[in-house]
Amino acid sequence: GESVGLHLPTLSVQEGDNSIINCAYSNSASDYFIWYKQESGKGPQFIIDIRSNMDKRQGQRVTVLLNKTVKHLSLQIAATQPGDSAVYFCAERSYNTDKLIFGTGTRLQVFP
Amino acid sequence: EPEVTQTPSHQVTQMGQEVILRCVPISNHLYFYWYRQILGQKVEFLVSFYNNEISEKSEIFDDQFSVERPDGSNFTLKIRSTKLEDSAMYFCASNPKRGTTGELFFGEGSRLTVL
Repeated sequence: GESVGLHLPTLSVQEGDNSIINCAYSNSASDYFIWYKQESGKGPQFIIDIRSNMDKRQGQRVTVLLNKTVKHLSLQIAATQPGDSAVYFCAERSYNTDKLIFGTGTRLQVFP
Repeated sequence: EPEVTQTPSHQVTQMGQEVILRCVPISNHLYFYWYRQILGQKVEFLVSFYNNEISEKSEIFDDQFSVERPDGSNFTLKIRSTKLEDSAMYFCASNPKRGTTGELFFGEGSRLTVL
């Protein structure tokens, strides 16, 4: 079956450090991957996406890396700030479907 | 900045009662979705809707669930006879176009508590 999961349920980092959040997926048919941020009491918020024909994509302070060989996705946040504290979900989608399959989430805690 | 709005923010209901959750997607969006998140768990897809019909649904979306776009702005999720396990946060989302982007715009959710 298909599944998307996360290696670490909680990640604590010091303000200013870089954060790396990991995600594993098992559906080889997935061709599109997204990272969402969810703050307490709010809906998921899009951060960055990547297609399966790419292995790296950069945004503002964030980078997503895709390793299709081992079916692994990561989100790197540079110079982590207190406002980055949230739960981060990876999600995948196959080319022939409209639904997103979310991972279980990693809580990022940023301390001063 | 345009946003997806959902009402109510929280609804408490008795088991067996009907519930309607309402959403106003972003005005120029064409694709609409409902997802749910049981407390402490991951976000799960329920249904997608385009051109006034369901385009895809999950196994969770059984006969107790229905969706409707009664007018040009609202998108509703109805649960006919709620069960305890329907307690969750329900998120509406919209997208201007399918397939090329996963940048779904999510609302802030409606928390449903079934007693």
